[in-house]
Amino acid sequence: QKEVEQNSGPLSVPEGAIASLNCTYSDRVSQSFFWYRQYSGKSPELIMSIYSNGDKEDGRFTAQLNKASQYVSLLIRDSQPSDSATYLCAVTGNQFYFGTGTSLTVIP
Amino acid sequence: GAVVSQHPSWVICKSGTSVKIECRSLDFQATTMFWYRQFPKQSLMLMATSNEGSKATYEQGVEKDKFLINHASLTLSTLTVTSAHPEDSSFYICSARDLTSGGEQFFGPGTRLTVL
Repeated sequence: QKEVEQNSGPLSVPEGAIASLNCTYSDRVSQSFFWYRQYSGKSPELIMSIYSNGDKEDGRFTAQLNKASQYVSLLIRDSQPSDSATYLCAVTGNQFYFGTGTSLTVIP
Repeated sequence: GAVVSQHPSWVICKSGTSVKIECRSLDFQATTMFWYRQFPKQSLMLMATSNEGSKATYEQGVEKDKFLINHASLTLSTLTVTSAHPEDSSFYICSARDLTSGGEQFFGPGTRLTVL
């Protein structure tokens, strides 16, 4: 079992809709959780971090963490074509693990 | 915010030559830096973890004699691709971990290497 699992997609949503990206992890001692966005041909960019159970909102982005169920999600409200990218989930505990990423396409 | 720079941003070289890529954390000290490689339309592949003042830890399948990593200071790590061949052509990305904040990794902009 991989340490971090994401649905590779592709996920397509219409412009203005909510995009929901999910991630599960296997290490129960994981402490910190991050979402990165990677545009094609570019390096990953940190967009959200979350450390405790519940929701964390930053503009159109909301990260949700449920440690009991070992999942973390990212919601993108009012999706824009510029949100089209690959989204990487990352989890740290004793080590730092990345998921393989979910490709998101926002259709104008 | 934390900034990581990489140099050069792209390089073209002849087969058999060596290429050095620099990774710098500009506004924080990074005791740990990471080197990744990414082929087109594929996931990030961790090559090695570099700790300041000690030898790098290489992932399985990565040749340590071909990909030389030096982390001589808290702000600089270098990756040297020795005797590069066309199959080494890839997008090389470094990252640095800021343990004084949330422990997240911040990525450099990447170096695109083309070996002719």
